[in-house]
Amino acid sequence: DSGVTQTPKHLITATGQRVTLRCSPRSGDLSVYWYQQSLDQGLQFLIQYYNGEERAKGNILERFSAQQFPDLHSELNLSSLELGDSALYFCASSVGSQGANDEQFFGPGTRLTVL
Amino acid sequence: AQKVTQAQTEISVVEKEDVTLDCVYETRDTTYYLFWYKQPPSGELVFLIRRNSFDEQNEISGRYSWNFQKSTSSFNFTITASQVVDSAVYFCALSEPTGANSKLTFGKGITLSVRP
Repeated sequence: DSGVTQTPKHLITATGQRVTLRCSPRSGDLSVYWYQQSLDQGLQFLIQYYNGEERAKGNILERFSAQQFPDLHSELNLSSLELGDSALYFCASSVGSQGANDEQFFGPGTRLTVL
Repeated sequence: AQKVTQAQTEISVVEKEDVTLDCVYETRDTTYYLFWYKQPPSGELVFLIRRNSFDEQNEISGRYSWNFQKSTSSFNFTITASQVVDSAVYFCALSEPTGANSKLTFGKGITLSVRP
Protein backbone atom coordinates (compact mmCIF):
# COMPACT_ATOMS: atom_id res chain seq x y z
CA ASP A 1 0.00 0.00 0.00
CA SER A 2 1.57 3.26 -1.18
CA GLY A 3 -0.49 5.47 1.13
CA VAL A 4 -2.06 7.30 -1.82
CA THR A 5 -5.82 6.85 -2.05
CA GLN A 6 -8.03 7.37 -5.05
CA THR A 7 -11.79 7.34 -5.36
CA PRO A 8 -13.78 5.97 -6.95
CA LYS A 9 -12.12 2.75 -8.03
CA HIS A 10 -14.37 2.35 -11.04
CA LEU A 11 -16.53 4.83 -12.89
CA ILE A 12 -18.87 4.14 -15.77
CA THR A 13 -20.49 7.04 -17.52
CA ALA A 14 -21.82 8.18 -20.88
CA THR A 15 -20.35 10.36 -23.58
CA GLY A 16 -20.80 14.06 -22.97
CA GLN A 17 -20.89 13.70 -19.21
CA ARG A 18 -18.58 15.19 -16.60
CA VAL A 19 -16.84 13.28 -13.81
CA THR A 20 -14.55 14.10 -10.90
CA LEU A 21 -11.75 11.85 -9.74
CA ARG A 22 -10.36 12.35 -6.26
CA CYS A 23 -6.90 11.73 -4.85
CA SER A 24 -5.48 11.97 -1.34
CA PRO A 25 -1.67 12.02 -1.24
CA ARG A 26 0.51 10.31 1.31
CA SER A 27 0.73 12.11 4.60
CA GLY A 28 3.36 14.82 4.31
CA ASP A 29 3.57 14.81 0.52
CA LEU A 30 3.05 18.21 -1.06
CA SER A 31 3.15 17.25 -4.74
CA VAL A 32 0.35 15.51 -6.58
CA TYR A 33 0.58 14.20 -10.14
CA TRP A 34 -2.07 12.88 -12.49
CA TYR A 35 -1.45 10.31 -15.19
CA GLN A 36 -3.61 8.63 -17.81
CA GLN A 37 -2.96 5.04 -18.88
CA SER A 38 -4.66 3.80 -22.03
CA LEU A 39 -3.91 0.97 -24.43
CA ASP A 40 -3.07 3.20 -27.35
CA GLN A 41 -1.29 6.07 -25.59
CA GLY A 42 0.38 4.20 -22.76
CA LEU A 43 1.17 6.05 -19.53
CA GLN A 44 1.02 9.79 -20.00
CA PHE A 45 1.68 12.59 -17.54
CA LEU A 46 -1.20 15.03 -17.32
CA ILE A 47 -0.48 17.62 -14.65
CA GLN A 48 1.35 18.29 -11.38
CA TYR A 49 0.41 20.40 -8.38
CA TYR A 50 2.69 21.41 -5.56
CA ASN A 51 1.19 22.78 -2.37
CA GLY A 52 -1.89 24.04 -4.15
CA GLU A 53 -0.19 25.52 -7.21
CA GLU A 54 0.08 24.11 -10.69
CA ARG A 55 3.72 23.22 -11.38
CA ALA A 56 3.96 21.25 -14.60
CA LYS A 57 1.63 20.39 -17.42
CA GLY A 58 1.78 17.45 -19.79
CA ASN A 59 -0.61 16.20 -22.42
CA ILE A 60 -3.73 17.35 -20.66
CA LEU A 61 -6.74 18.12 -22.83
CA GLU A 62 -8.58 21.42 -22.47
CA ARG A 63 -11.67 19.45 -21.43
CA PHE A 64 -9.73 18.25 -18.37
CA SER A 65 -8.86 20.35 -15.37
CA ALA A 66 -7.43 19.73 -11.93
CA GLN A 67 -6.89 21.45 -8.66
CA GLN A 68 -5.22 20.84 -5.32
CA PHE A 69 -7.02 21.97 -2.21
CA PRO A 70 -5.58 23.44 1.03
CA ASP A 71 -5.74 20.00 2.68
CA LEU A 72 -3.57 18.81 -0.28
CA HIS A 73 -6.10 16.42 -1.78
CA SER A 74 -6.57 16.83 -5.49
CA GLU A 75 -9.39 16.44 -7.96
CA LEU A 76 -9.24 15.79 -11.68
CA ASN A 77 -12.29 16.95 -13.57
CA LEU A 78 -13.04 15.44 -16.96
CA SER A 79 -15.84 17.01 -19.00
CA SER A 80 -17.55 16.45 -22.34
CA LEU A 81 -16.36 12.89 -22.12
CA GLU A 82 -15.58 10.94 -25.26
CA LEU A 83 -15.14 7.22 -25.81
CA GLY A 84 -11.41 7.76 -26.11
CA ASP A 85 -11.22 9.09 -22.56
CA SER A 86 -11.78 5.58 -21.25
CA ALA A 87 -8.59 4.78 -19.37
CA LEU A 88 -7.00 4.15 -16.01
CA TYR A 89 -6.26 7.42 -14.24
CA PHE A 90 -3.49 7.39 -11.68
CA CYS A 91 -2.66 9.88 -9.03
CA ALA A 92 0.82 9.94 -7.53
CA SER A 93 2.40 11.98 -4.78
CA SER A 94 5.88 12.93 -3.69
CA VAL A 95 7.28 14.76 -0.74
CA GLY A 96 9.38 17.39 -2.42
CA SER A 97 9.24 20.23 -4.85
CA GLN A 98 11.61 18.65 -7.33
CA GLY A 99 8.84 17.59 -9.62
CA ALA A 100 9.18 14.40 -11.56
CA ASN A 101 12.71 13.92 -10.24
CA ASP A 102 11.27 12.86 -6.93
CA GLU A 103 10.32 9.30 -6.21
CA GLN A 104 6.60 9.16 -6.80
CA PHE A 105 4.14 6.93 -4.97
CA PHE A 106 1.17 5.87 -7.04
CA GLY A 107 -2.39 5.27 -5.99
CA PRO A 108 -4.43 2.25 -7.14
CA GLY A 109 -6.01 4.21 -9.99
CA THR A 110 -9.55 4.98 -11.11
CA ARG A 111 -10.79 3.02 -14.09
CA LEU A 112 -13.03 5.22 -16.19
CA THR A 113 -15.27 3.66 -18.80
CA VAL A 114 -17.14 5.96 -21.16
CA LEU A 115 -20.02 4.30 -23.00
CA ALA B 1 12.05 16.02 -26.89
CA GLN B 2 12.57 13.27 -24.39
CA LYS B 3 11.75 9.72 -25.41
CA VAL B 4 11.95 6.30 -23.80
CA THR B 5 12.03 3.17 -25.91
CA GLN B 6 11.33 -0.28 -24.55
CA ALA B 7 11.68 -2.34 -27.70
CA GLN B 8 10.68 -5.63 -26.09
CA THR B 9 6.93 -5.73 -25.65
CA GLU B 10 6.49 -9.19 -24.14
CA ILE B 11 8.97 -11.60 -22.59
CA SER B 12 8.18 -15.06 -21.32
CA VAL B 13 10.63 -17.06 -19.21
CA VAL B 14 10.58 -20.11 -17.02
CA GLU B 15 11.07 -19.67 -13.31
CA LYS B 16 14.71 -19.37 -12.19
CA GLU B 17 15.84 -18.01 -15.55
CA ASP B 18 17.60 -14.65 -15.64
CA VAL B 19 15.93 -11.98 -17.73
CA THR B 20 17.03 -8.53 -18.90
CA LEU B 21 14.60 -5.77 -19.74
CA ASP B 22 16.01 -3.15 -22.07
CA CYS B 23 15.48 0.59 -21.91
CA VAL B 24 16.91 3.19 -24.27
CA TYR B 25 16.28 6.88 -23.79
CA GLU B 26 16.75 10.14 -25.67
CA THR B 27 17.31 13.49 -24.06
CA ARG B 28 19.05 16.75 -24.83
CA ASP B 29 19.67 17.50 -21.17
CA THR B 30 22.85 16.60 -19.35
CA THR B 31 21.01 16.35 -16.06
CA TYR B 32 18.09 13.96 -15.81
CA TYR B 33 16.72 11.07 -13.81
CA LEU B 34 15.83 7.54 -14.88
CA PHE B 35 13.33 5.28 -13.18
CA TRP B 36 11.92 1.79 -13.31
CA TYR B 37 8.39 1.04 -12.14
CA LYS B 38 6.60 -2.29 -11.85
CA GLN B 39 2.88 -2.73 -12.52
CA PRO B 40 1.70 -6.11 -11.20
CA PRO B 41 -1.67 -7.58 -12.26
CA SER B 42 -3.31 -5.69 -9.39
CA GLY B 43 -2.65 -2.53 -11.39
CA GLU B 44 -0.79 -0.34 -8.94
CA LEU B 45 2.54 1.17 -10.04
CA VAL B 46 5.41 0.31 -7.74
CA PHE B 47 8.63 2.31 -7.67
CA LEU B 48 11.77 0.20 -8.13
CA ILE B 49 14.70 2.54 -8.65
CA ARG B 50 15.75 6.10 -9.45
CA ARG B 51 19.08 7.02 -10.96
CA ASN B 52 20.48 10.46 -11.75
CA SER B 53 22.50 11.07 -14.87
CA PHE B 54 25.73 11.61 -12.96
CA ASP B 55 25.67 8.28 -11.22
CA GLU B 56 26.67 5.51 -13.59
CA GLN B 57 27.36 2.94 -10.93
CA ASN B 58 25.46 -0.26 -11.40
CA GLU B 59 23.03 -1.07 -8.63
CA ILE B 60 22.01 -4.38 -7.16
CA SER B 61 19.07 -4.95 -4.87
CA GLY B 62 18.52 -8.59 -4.08
CA ARG B 63 17.65 -10.35 -7.34
CA TYR B 64 17.33 -7.05 -9.18
CA SER B 65 20.19 -5.20 -10.83
CA TRP B 66 20.40 -2.19 -13.08
CA ASN B 67 23.02 -1.28 -15.66
CA PHE B 68 23.20 2.40 -16.60
CA GLN B 69 25.37 3.30 -19.60
CA LYS B 70 25.34 6.91 -20.71
CA SER B 71 27.45 6.08 -23.75
CA THR B 72 24.62 4.03 -25.20
CA SER B 73 21.76 5.92 -23.45
CA SER B 74 20.58 2.72 -21.88
CA PHE B 75 19.30 1.78 -18.45
CA ASN B 76 18.72 -1.96 -18.46
CA PHE B 77 17.12 -4.00 -15.71
CA THR B 78 18.02 -7.60 -14.94
CA ILE B 79 16.09 -10.00 -12.77
CA THR B 80 18.17 -12.93 -11.61
CA ALA B 81 16.52 -16.27 -10.86
CA SER B 82 13.09 -14.99 -11.84
CA GLN B 83 10.02 -15.98 -9.86
CA VAL B 84 6.34 -16.17 -10.72
CA VAL B 85 5.74 -13.09 -8.55
CA ASP B 86 7.93 -11.10 -10.94
CA SER B 87 5.21 -11.39 -13.59
CA ALA B 88 4.17 -7.81 -14.28
CA VAL B 89 4.50 -4.93 -16.70
CA TYR B 90 7.74 -3.03 -16.21
CA PHE B 91 8.08 0.60 -17.19
CA CYS B 92 11.22 2.60 -17.70
CA ALA B 93 10.81 6.37 -17.32
CA LEU B 94 12.82 9.53 -17.81
CA SER B 95 12.35 12.86 -16.08
CA GLU B 96 13.65 16.13 -17.41
CA PRO B 97 14.46 18.86 -17.03
CA THR B 98 15.49 18.81 -13.41
CA GLY B 99 13.63 21.02 -11.03
CA ALA B 100 10.11 21.81 -10.08
CA ASN B 101 8.65 21.75 -13.58
CA SER B 102 10.11 18.44 -14.64
CA LYS B 103 7.95 15.82 -16.32
CA LEU B 104 8.08 12.06 -16.33
CA THR B 105 8.00 10.28 -19.67
CA PHE B 106 7.30 6.56 -19.64
CA GLY B 107 8.18 3.88 -22.13
CA LYS B 108 5.45 1.61 -23.46
CA GLY B 109 6.24 -1.07 -20.92
CA ILE B 110 7.42 -4.68 -21.12
CA THR B 111 5.08 -7.47 -20.10
CA LEU B 112 7.06 -10.14 -18.30
CA SER B 113 5.51 -13.55 -17.76
CA VAL B 114 7.33 -15.99 -15.54
CA ARG B 115 6.05 -19.56 -15.89
CA PRO B 116 6.43 -22.09 -13.11
